[in-house]
Amino acid sequence: GENVEQHPSTLSVQEGDSAVIKCTYSDSASNYFPWYKQELGKRPQLIIDIRSNVGEKKDQRIAVTLNKTAKHFSLHITETQPEDSAVYFCAASVSGGSNYKLTFGKGTLLTVNP
Amino acid sequence: KAGVTQTPRYLIKTRGQQVTLSCSPISGHRSVSWYQQTPGQGLQFLFEYFSETQRNKGNFPGRFSGRQFSNSRSEMNVSTLELGDSALYLCASSRPSPDTGELFFGEGSRLTVL
Repeated sequence: GENVEQHPSTLSVQEGDSAVIKCTYSDSASNYFPWYKQELGKRPQLIIDIRSNVGEKKDQRIAVTLNKTAKHFSLHITETQPEDSAVYFCAASVSGGSNYKLTFGKGTLLTVNP
Repeated sequence: KAGVTQTPRYLIKTRGQQVTLSCSPISGHRSVSWYQQTPGQGLQFLFEYFSETQRNKGNFPGRFSGRQFSNSRSEMNVSTLELGDSALYLCASSRPSPDTGELFFGEGSRLTVL
């Protein structure tokens, strides 16, 4: 089955700096790659996703890049703010049809220091 | 629109007991997935149901089971509880569309096994 590795497990940055979280996946059939943010004591929420027919996607300060050949994808957060502090999970799946099984990485605890 | 609702939010059990957790998906969502969240392992997929049928199952022992009712509400059961079953159990629902795999999570049921 699919295996998703996520690095680093913890990341501390100064407010205003950029943060990058990297993930690799094993199943070449995976074509959907979402990122979820989970604030302390809250539920995970989707912040951005990318499909295999796209190499990069941006949404304000957040961007995701995908390299299908190397089977890795990354989350980039620019101009970090204290409210970006949370655990971020990457995930991979074969989307469409009847498959809604997401395989998650183990998470990255991002701390943005004011 | 009401979000995903999970009950109970917190519960304490002892080894050997069993537990049933409940999940009400967002209205109109027919797919319900369950995940186990622990500090060291992140989010691990348990199973996914659609129209009362289990479509996908993760690598958990048979003590973990679930079902879905005709109104899309779902329950999961864990029998013969072990200390290692202590975790946050998250339910998520999604639209049955090939265009999106977004999961909408509930706040979880936190199970403590003593």
